[in-house]
Formats: sequence, structure tokens, C-alpha cells
Amino acid sequence: ETGVTQTPRHLVMGMTNKKSLKCEQHLGHNAMYWYKQSAKKPLELMFVYSLEERVENNSVPSRFSPECPNSSHLFLHLHTLQPEDSALYLCASSHATGRSSYNSPLHFGNGTRLTVT
Amino acid sequence: AQRVTQPEKLLSVFKGAPVELKCNYSYSGSPELFWYVQYSRQRLQLLLRHISRESIKGFTADLNKGETSFHLKKPFAQEEDSAMYYCALSLNSGGYQKVTFGTGTKLQVIP
Repeated sequence: ETGVTQTPRHLVMGMTNKKSLKCEQHLGHNAMYWYKQSAKKPLELMFVYSLEERVENNSVPSRFSPECPNSSHLFLHLHTLQPEDSALYLCASSHATGRSSYNSPLHFGNGTRLTVT
Repeated sequence: AQRVTQPEKLLSVFKGAPVELKCNYSYSGSPELFWYVQYSRQRLQLLLRHISRESIKGFTADLNKGETSFHLKKPFAQEEDSAMYYCALSLNSGGYQKVTFGTGTKLQVIP
């Protein structure tokens, strides 16, 4: 399968549960991103991995823990979440283009709709 | 810090009418601007980027640095254009893209 694939598509979890979101890309990209999309808010960048190294962590609470074992896979581990964490979580990938002026566009997955009860 | 503003949450136009989706940005340097689109039940995807200067699905967007705008235009709207449109500003942060999105505008084309 080509493109960016996210699993599961939907997830309902209690505040004491531990779960993980998975993202896989088959585009040969080497930068991967987690975004959070809440109602009436712009997409919020959470984490960025470039060449398997975390390069951005946008003041995200520690109950969200990313993992990037290789350039094709990205995980978001969740534990002790709050109801306000309910949102659509989007994974994206792009080429890591060094310091050139060319900005590679993002390729998104379909997202995981998370509901915290 | 960079910011992207899309003032309209919803834009309704009749089929065949011109469309203009507004986008303004704030950034002191030379950003790269994109439009992303999300059709119903599909993933968010790139529509066009300012450096390409091309028309995609009849849409064009011109970067106006004086007005810090990147409005998306189409002369004649089609029903299949109904979707959510997001304006985005991208900065190359030493290898990866630091992208700031607007809140999005829902375009509704009325038959």
C-alpha cells in the first residue's frame, strides 16, 4: 500500500488506559509529524521526527509520548489522557530537504479519531 | 511567530460563480505558502503551492507580499469543489517543514 496509513481509524479509551496510535508511510520520506486537529482550532503541530530524530516537541504534555523506530513508522503512545484530548490525530510525512529553500509538501494519513471517556 | 488567518469559516457560492478564499499571513521573512484541501471522507492533501505558479483544478493563488495575502481563486465554481480548504505557511527548519495552518474555510457550492 502506498501513502500514509494510520491505525486505528477510531479509538475510544478511558482516562486510565494505555493505547498507541500507529502511522506508516511508503513514500520514501524521512520526516514524520504528529498533528492534533480539534474542532474550531487550526491543526496543532505536536511532534516532528527528521531522520528518526525528534526535532520538535511543541510543549505537548508528557501523557503523549512519540516513538519513531525507523523512517517509515511513527507511534504516539497515550496514557492517562483527559477528555479534552479527544480529537483527530493526524500523521504526516515529507522529504527532509536539508537547508535548501525548497519546502517539501506534507502527505497526510486519514487520521485517528480519539475519544477519551 | 508566524500566523495564518482565514477569516471565513464558511463560503457558499452558486455553481458557475467565481470563488475567492481569503488567506492572510504574518511572517517577517520569505515564507512558502500552500493550499491544502480536504474533500468529504478523504485525507487532507496538497492543492497547490505558490512557488509552482500553476493552476490546479482551475484554482490559482498569487502570493502578495505587500498585503501578506495568498488568496485562492477560481473563476467558475463546480459542485466537486465543495470541501474544506486550509491555507498553510511552511518554513524549512533545517530539514523538516514547520507548517502553520489556518483554521480552514468550508466551501459549499450550491447546484
